[in-house]
Amino acid sequence: SQQGEEDPQALSIQEGENATMNCSYKTSINNLQWYRQNSGRGLVHLILIRSNEREKHSGRLRVTLDTSKKSSSLLITASRAADTASYFCATGNDYKLSFGAGTTVTVRA
Amino acid sequence: KAGVTQTPRYLIKTRGQQVTLSCSPISGHRSVSWYQQTPGQGLQFLFEYFSETQRNKGNFPGRFSGRQFSNSRSEMNVSTLELGDSALYLCASSFGAGGITGTGELFFGEGSRLTVL
Repeated sequence: SQQGEEDPQALSIQEGENATMNCSYKTSINNLQWYRQNSGRGLVHLILIRSNEREKHSGRLRVTLDTSKKSSSLLITASRAADTASYFCATGNDYKLSFGAGTTVTVRA
Repeated sequence: KAGVTQTPRYLIKTRGQQVTLSCSPISGHRSVSWYQQTPGQGLQFLFEYFSETQRNKGNFPGRFSGRQFSNSRSEMNVSTLELGDSALYLCASSFGAGGITGTGELFFGEGSRLTVL
């Protein structure tokens, strides 16, 4: 079974709007990562947040982590058409990453 | 700096055949991981290698195997192909600083899309 589970499964927004997606995980973590995947291509690392951090920013991305609730959220502000992709959270241990099922984001022009 | 290179990008095989996929990591990266992505199962971990040693293996049958060479390049092999092996196979590399308690950022290739007929 997968460690992380994203919510919602799919999200459709207008260009310029914000997109928020959530991730829940099951076991204790050292860090949590978010990746983006454009259709049928490889994954691109977006951001890593450590278990002792509560919030992290990178450009238009904001990630929060609540270890007490075993959850994280990814916020994309002022979305663009190029943000259309699938987004995955991942937790790692034992030299591997466990990915959630992903949130598919569609940004409409 | 060149990224992770996977070959071939696309391939079609028939049931019962075998396939070998290749991965060249980013220069200086010593860890290579493999993942299988399917619509039904999502992203599943196959195995991870560091300095030619397999450090972890996912829950896949023995038909799936891999190896890493001294130059950090890696190959994975699937024997006796089944229809369910149709998937995007992703290779990722890293410096390999991860361990039992954590795994760092991975750099992924574009994948090898395998279709089994």
